[in-house]
Amino acid sequence: NAGVTQTPKFQVLKTGQSMTLQCAQDMNHNSMYWYRQDPGMGLRLIYYSASEGTTDKGEVPNGYNVSRLNKREFSLRLESAAPSQTSVYFCASSGGRVRVYQPQHFGDGTRLSIL
Amino acid sequence: AQSVAQPEDQVNVAEGNPLTVKCTYSVSGNPYLFWYVQYPNRGLQFLLKYITGDNLVKGSYGFEAEFNKSQTSFHLKKPSALVSDSALYFCAVRDGAGANNLFFGTGTRLTVIP
Repeated sequence: NAGVTQTPKFQVLKTGQSMTLQCAQDMNHNSMYWYRQDPGMGLRLIYYSASEGTTDKGEVPNGYNVSRLNKREFSLRLESAAPSQTSVYFCASSGGRVRVYQPQHFGDGTRLSIL
Repeated sequence: AQSVAQPEDQVNVAEGNPLTVKCTYSVSGNPYLFWYVQYPNRGLQFLLKYITGDNLVKGSYGFEAEFNKSQTSFHLKKPSALVSDSALYFCAVRDGAGANNLFFGTGTRLTVIP
């Protein structure tokens, strides 16, 4: 009964380092999403994947890349981390082919600090 | 462009009293509206949604929300608050015309006082 699993839960990086955040879902959902949560700003969409093999930019894609490895897994990569990317990152998934009425299911987040 | 406003950063209510968490929205098409709750160090959990139909929507944990098209509002309500309802609440909207993005409000922290 795992739902959406994110790894790691915490990470500290130095400016300029690279890192990949992992996300996997076991609900057979087609759509997956990456958000960042910053104090006072709610959640903002970074990238999403409507289905296996497709990815699209969200509201704040700069500085990030994504890979939809298969139907279960959707990773987020920071190629050269910057302090402005310090945030809590959430992965989510939803059923259907980006059906607007399907709620999203969230992982518990990755807390990333960049020094 | 879509947007969501949660005008209150913090709402305090006594246990057993009714609670309301406010949300207003702006979309270009028909609104699809959601409420999520976030407990400390956890991801967001879905509470309820409005797609079409009855303006009063019932969801998880005794919560309900009232859709008001003329006021472009979707306020979250509960008749009797519990201490365990203390959490961060997010309103979200999707454009019914087919946009893929889910826009979240900035969140309202609800504290239920014993």
